Amino acid sequence: DTAVSQTPKYLVTQMGNDKSIKCEQNLGHDTMYWYKQDSKKFLKIMFSYNNKELIINETVPNRFSPKSPDKAHLNLHINSLELGDSAVYFCASSQGYGRGQPQHFGDGTRLSIL
Amino acid sequence: GDSVTQMEGPVTLSEEAFLTINCTYTATGYPSLFWYVQYPGEGLQLLLKATKADDKGSNKGFEATYRKETTSFHLEKGSVQVSDSAVYFCALSDILTGGGNKLTFGTGTQLKVEL
Repeated sequence: DTAVSQTPKYLVTQMGNDKSIKCEQNLGHDTMYWYKQDSKKFLKIMFSYNNKELIINETVPNRFSPKSPDKAHLNLHINSLELGDSAVYFCASSQGYGRGQPQHFGDGTRLSIL
Repeated sequence: GDSVTQMEGPVTLSEEAFLTINCTYTATGYPSLFWYVQYPGEGLQLLLKATKADDKGSNKGFEATYRKETTSFHLEKGSVQVSDSAVYFCALSDILTGGGNKLTFGTGTQLKVEL
């Protein structure tokens, strides 16, 4: 059973398009995250939701909009895609947001902008 | 702000060699420290963690000790295997003033183990 699942695994699209990435976790966690991993493997947090409430919103362009319909899902919608958006996007979840809580990651969505 | 510095890779070792990957951090609060591992084409998996000074995290033969005095959390393994080939990330987690907990990652160190 996949704990944190993301779809699609690969996403190839043209510049200027709008796309969404979906994330679901079946761990019963109440906090979910989106991270971006660039071509040099550097990981940076983008957003975090706790019980459907936004609690972390890093400096991310307004073209990126997370949506959490319930605490098991956190989707990422991206408008007007740009070349610089090419990256691997990881969803993660944790039980609460205490500093010792480990985060569980999905396998990533590789976004390529043509 | 918080930051994590880890040694650049790739690190190439022969099977059964001793592994050390250095990690140091700066943090405004009292962070928890983690090592995550990423195998090719996969997401990150928690390898081990430590939540307070002098704690030792261990898993699958890997160990790391939280050293507050040197702000370090070096990863070690006594005898590596080919299956340990992956990218290893050091990370810290701290509570944010407005609520929430975010992981700050190092740049990752690629480990290649050869027969």
